[in-house]
Amino acid sequence: EPEVTQTPSHQVTQMGQEVILRCVPISNHLYFYWYRQILGQKVEFLVSFYNNEISEKSEIFDDQFSVERPDGSNFTLKIRSTKLEDSAMYFCASSPTGANVLTFGAGSRLTVL
Amino acid sequence: QKEVEQNSGPLSVPEGAIASLNCTYSDRGSQSFFWYRQYSGKSPELIMFIYSNGDKEDGRFTAQLNKASQYVSLLIRDSQPSDSATYLCAVNLVDTGFQKLVFGTGTRLLVSP
Repeated sequence: EPEVTQTPSHQVTQMGQEVILRCVPISNHLYFYWYRQILGQKVEFLVSFYNNEISEKSEIFDDQFSVERPDGSNFTLKIRSTKLEDSAMYFCASSPTGANVLTFGAGSRLTVL
Repeated sequence: QKEVEQNSGPLSVPEGAIASLNCTYSDRGSQSFFWYRQYSGKSPELIMFIYSNGDKEDGRFTAQLNKASQYVSLLIRDSQPSDSATYLCAVNLVDTGFQKLVFGTGTRLLVSP
């Protein structure tokens, strides 16, 4: 069964460092998303991406966040200067249409020290 | 603030019983409703989605939607210990287009053998 692949599975970084989380969405999907889940809390929307541009973003997705689809297969989330409160599980998801029937990746756990 | 509310549980049921999980949402214009299952430390996995008032059945799972009451539920028949997980209700908010899901905090289900 097709799956969304995320790397790394766990990253530990120092506050203020840049982090790039990588995702390979399902190949025939057109819509890509990043969500995050702080430990013990709800899954929160960060950003959606379609046709090589951001289609929607949340208030969490401020100037320190960016997304990119550099090569037609990868979909990346960059956090420019990490803060302690960025520690969370980051989930990439994709869907074939904009109907939000999402397939999630296994997640990348980010720990900011 | 548009919200999705769920009882955090845990909801405890014996094996073979029916588990009933409930969710309310605040945005009357919401159009798409999703149930995800999340095992501890894992990513959300789509169980069902429902768009129209009434019931939708898929195997042991039945989703029920009542837009007038802003209420969506998930019934799990013949519950199994492997169904023990957190069940996330998610709603697509109409004023954000079709690009964003808002999740509830989830209901933890425990099925005892």
